[in-house]
Amino acid sequence: DIQMTQSPSTLSASVGDRVTITCRASQSIGTWLAWYQQKPGKAPKLLIYQASSLQSGVPSRFSGSGSGTDFTLTISGLQPDDFATYYCQQYNTYSWAFGQGTKVEI
Amino acid sequence: QVQLQESGPGLVKPLETLSLTCTVSGDSVSSGSCYWSWVRQSPGKGLEWIGYIYYIRSTNYNPSLESRVTISVDTSKNQFSLRLDSVTAADTAVYYCATSHPGTGGGFDLWGQGTLVTVSS
Repeated sequence: DIQMTQSPSTLSASVGDRVTITCRASQSIGTWLAWYQQKPGKAPKLLIYQASSLQSGVPSRFSGSGSGTDFTLTISGLQPDDFATYYCQQYNTYSWAFGQGTKVEI
Repeated sequence: QVQLQESGPGLVKPLETLSLTCTVSGDSVSSGSCYWSWVRQSPGKGLEWIGYIYYIRSTNYNPSLESRVTISVDTSKNQFSLRLDSVTAADTAVYYCATSHPGTGGGFDLWGQGTLVTVSS
């Protein structure tokens, strides 16, 4: 099975900061990767799919990059609404998996 | 507008079977190009992919749950369902149904609101 490892687990930041979250796959997954934002008590929200494609309606300050085993989610100019937990997910193989999450806090 | 809604018991006894249903509105579970999926989240923990069904009959499951999980579709009711056998306290979680539409690959672009299932006697 492919394991997904995110870093850091927790990130402290301020409004306006540029924030980077990393996701590493245990083996190559091409660009079969998605990023989600989840707020407490809510379902996750798709931000990025296919590693770098912005989901419709998602602000352009969110961007994704990477391929193979190393991926990055960047938030350019952190907004108050962006404080949340972020997850990566691979869908390269028949067995999909999420990373353990990165909490972005003030 | 496409919507997903989970339903089912909120309390299940240990060693019994957890059964949940996801009702789809605004789309068809017969749509072969979508992955109709279940994801869960234990209290205070991260997301765990359970499995998906596509083309009505084809399924793939998380290897850690595969021996206990069944996902099926009822086209007459436009629903898909989750069955998890022999549950323990470790199966206590919020269970989400979700789907991936064409274009997002396996990215879940639509989610239900989630339903909490507690395993306890």
